[in-house]
Amino acid sequence: GQSLEQPSEVTAVEGAIVQINCTYQTSGFYGLSWYQQHDGGAPTFLSYNALDGLEETGRFSSFLSRSDSYGYLLLQELQMKDSASYFCARSPSPNDYKLSFGAGTTVTVRA
Amino acid sequence: SAVISQKPSRDICQRGTSLTIQCQVDSQVTMMFWYRQQPGQSLTLIATANQGSEATYESGFVIDKFPISRPNLTFSTLTVSNLSPEDSSIYLCSVERDRPNTEAFFGQGTRLTVV
Repeated sequence: GQSLEQPSEVTAVEGAIVQINCTYQTSGFYGLSWYQQHDGGAPTFLSYNALDGLEETGRFSSFLSRSDSYGYLLLQELQMKDSASYFCARSPSPNDYKLSFGAGTTVTVRA
Repeated sequence: SAVISQKPSRDICQRGTSLTIQCQVDSQVTMMFWYRQQPGQSLTLIATANQGSEATYESGFVIDKFPISRPNLTFSTLTVSNLSPEDSSIYLCSVERDRPNTEAFFGQGTRLTVV
């Protein structure tokens, strides 16, 4: 089962900023990743945090707070093409490549 | 990045039959993973496939239902056996590079419908 919680859906307009939160159970946690999946497509990697703080990659940023067992993905300057599902995923250790995924957040961008 | 070719992309199968899904990677990787994604749901890991050894299955998944082959470092197959409508899902293979755990690459998935 999933040990990560994220909102099921978010709707926003073009140009807006969206923050998708992800909370996780601390047991067996090493790092948090984010993946984007368009309908019918493969999940694609967006960002990864193993340390506290903000990782910025273009319009997308990810944040992790290990003390709060919490992370988020920030989508800035939203575009229509950003309409997709976004998944947070936890890694249990640096040498264990298995991922456990959250339930996913469907982001709908409106004109 | 890794390029993963997965086939078939979709199939419709009769209940009681089996479907074998193939996953080909453009470079050698130690581990390959098979996930299931039920309609509108998240990804659930079925098993990890290492070359030269039996696959390691996650809780709720068994070898008799999901036999896996891993004959070399670039190829794997997943068979979904004795199909029932509950097996209707997207099945995805995935690999990670042999480096600190950051990025996973996925195939395009196989959309299976059991009728």
